[in-house]
Amino acid sequence: DGGITQSPKYLFRKEGQNVTLSCEQNLNHDAMYWYRQDPGQGLRLIYYSQIVNDFQKGDIAEGYSVSREKKESFPLTVTSAQKNPTAFYLCASSIRGATLSFYEQYFGPGTRLTVT
Amino acid sequence: GNSVTQMEGPVTLSEEAFLTINCTYTATGYPSLFWYVQYPGEGLQLLLKATKADDKGSNKGFEATYRKETTSFHLEKGSVQVSDSAVYFCALMNYGGATNKLIFGTGTLLAVQP
Repeated sequence: DGGITQSPKYLFRKEGQNVTLSCEQNLNHDAMYWYRQDPGQGLRLIYYSQIVNDFQKGDIAEGYSVSREKKESFPLTVTSAQKNPTAFYLCASSIRGATLSFYEQYFGPGTRLTVT
Repeated sequence: GNSVTQMEGPVTLSEEAFLTINCTYTATGYPSLFWYVQYPGEGLQLLLKATKADDKGSNKGFEATYRKETTSFHLEKGSVQVSDSAVYFCALMNYGGATNKLIFGTGTLLAVQP
């Protein structure tokens, strides 16, 4: 079955530690995205990548880093510089159309990160 | 800039009631519009979409019509079930430009009681 996998589902870390969240897709989608969701709020874009070896900052990139070495993988590192890292993190991907437009995004199941 | 405004929840309905969740948007150009649904503890699932004015998106008994004149994309369902209880997000995407990113509303929690 094609889809997006995120692991682990729950992650616990101590303050001051970096942590990497995994996102893998086998949909052959070109673009991948990371969002953060906080209770009672919509999703906010952290980083996105439209092509391998290239990525762009979203609206709240401070304290996060990403890499896109393979088309199917887009890991997110939450660094110790992120002031409020506890949140639900969602990865998404989309396919690119013929005119550089990207179609609708499909989401993974999410990783809930708790930092204490 | 682009933005999406949804009605605040929670919306509490009895089973088989009619559902409307309001969504209005502000955007330049001709965005595509989406409804996503999030069940407890899960990621978002695309529920339906519309890519141009007067398009009607539909799926699983849910419908929404892209109204450019009122900049709205209200979600409707004729008869809700307990299994429809979830958070619903309205979103827009403006194609072209540097990001092609989704802009989300804050979500509306729907609770359906038996």
